[in-house]
Amino acid sequence: QQPVQSPQAVILREGEDAVINCSSSKALYSVHWYRQKHGEAPVFLMILLKGGEQKGHEKISASFNEKKQQSSLYLTASQLSYSGTYFCGTDFGNEKLTFGTGTRLTIIP
Amino acid sequence: DAGVIQSPRHEVTEMGQEVTLRCKPISGHNSLFWYRQTMMRGLELLIYFNNNVPIDDSGMPEDRFSAKMPNASFSTLKIQPSEPRDSAVYFCASSLKGGRGEQYFGPGTRLTVT
Repeated sequence: QQPVQSPQAVILREGEDAVINCSSSKALYSVHWYRQKHGEAPVFLMILLKGGEQKGHEKISASFNEKKQQSSLYLTASQLSYSGTYFCGTDFGNEKLTFGTGTRLTIIP
Repeated sequence: DAGVIQSPRHEVTEMGQEVTLRCKPISGHNSLFWYRQTMMRGLELLIYFNNNVPIDDSGMPEDRFSAKMPNASFSTLKIQPSEPRDSAVYFCASSLKGGRGEQYFGPGTRLTVT
């Protein structure tokens, strides 16, 4: 039931764009995105509810395709501060989050 | 306002010993979550509370693990007896809207069982 994230890791130069995908084998009520820097706690980015909405947070946005049971996180014009591991957390309707395998993002100058 | 507070930050203990991890959620938050993070299994939900009541403990690995929330400002996760495979980072998180809301994570407790 753990959602699958892709890619597992990506290296970008500052200013480049990235897409991180999260796929579930079960129907989703909502998808949550978090970022965790090395040695620190996960930090909330955004929540997407079923309905195919798209949300944005500065240069980070996300979409949720309920039918495909997928969500994607878009990072545009990446900055050094975007480095970290990104996790999607899926809610199957029981208010419990099941976190994905994580995507390690490295931004180089 | 202080965030979620966890103690201790690091714990090293020998196999068979009892370990107690502590958490103080953000004031006013009505939901509290305990997670465990390892390289092999990732970030796993162990148990969560709503208004101090345990709602779902299906993630608790076995009877050696127990959690309590005696009041709105304090929770403990106890492992007795501890085993080397319990070594992990344990996070506590709190939320205003249960599992549907933004969760604020504490700094975590790094547990090493030798």
